[in-house]
Amino acid sequence: KNEVEQSPQNLTAQEGEFITINCSYSVGISALHWLQQHPGGGIVSLFMLSSGKKKHGRLIATINIQEKHSSLHITASHPRDSAVYICAVRYQGAQKLVFGQGTRLTINP
Amino acid sequence: DSGVTQTPKHLITATGQRVTLRCSPRSGDLSVYWYQQSLDQGLQFLIQYYNGEERAKGNILERFSAQQFPDLHSELNLSSLELGDSALYFCASSGQQNRAAEQFFGPGTRLTVL
Repeated sequence: KNEVEQSPQNLTAQEGEFITINCSYSVGISALHWLQQHPGGGIVSLFMLSSGKKKHGRLIATINIQEKHSSLHITASHPRDSAVYICAVRYQGAQKLVFGQGTRLTINP
Repeated sequence: DSGVTQTPKHLITATGQRVTLRCSPRSGDLSVYWYQQSLDQGLQFLIQYYNGEERAKGNILERFSAQQFPDLHSELNLSSLELGDSALYFCASSGQQNRAAEQFFGPGTRLTVL
């Protein structure tokens, strides 16, 4: 069992739909990252969270520290949002980032 | 463009060989991180350097080593290569030693070991 669990593993939706990707982790963290990886392989950092909620354009990331859970939402999804979304956490007192297995999102026109 | 550069983009080599991957961090960033992404293991943290000194080690094999130079660029050396070392290797940089800081990823080096 991965320390960082993402769901779903794969998600296909129609353009315009509201998308939610979930991330759960097992122990206390100091920060959680959401990353986007496009088919070409490049990784872009979307958000870094330690509490609450952040918004950037059509992307919203939330974290519930008590429930050890984070969500990434995409509003008005577009085919260019098609990518793998990866959650990564840094546990308190630990030195490394631990990654989820990623969620492959496909948005059809 | 994150401002982090990696060379080469692609590398094809044979088992038993040694290769060096290079990373230049964003201007002003002192921390460099190396990650490996393989098909079966996903993304894994390998090692972190901060201003020339090793700060944290992850799942890095003994056959692998890294260093950060005075100009802050970093190199990851992979030796006695095995088929299983085929992967994407990413470098990331941040402006702080604390790895809870936002990290900016390079485009990666795709290593194929034949």
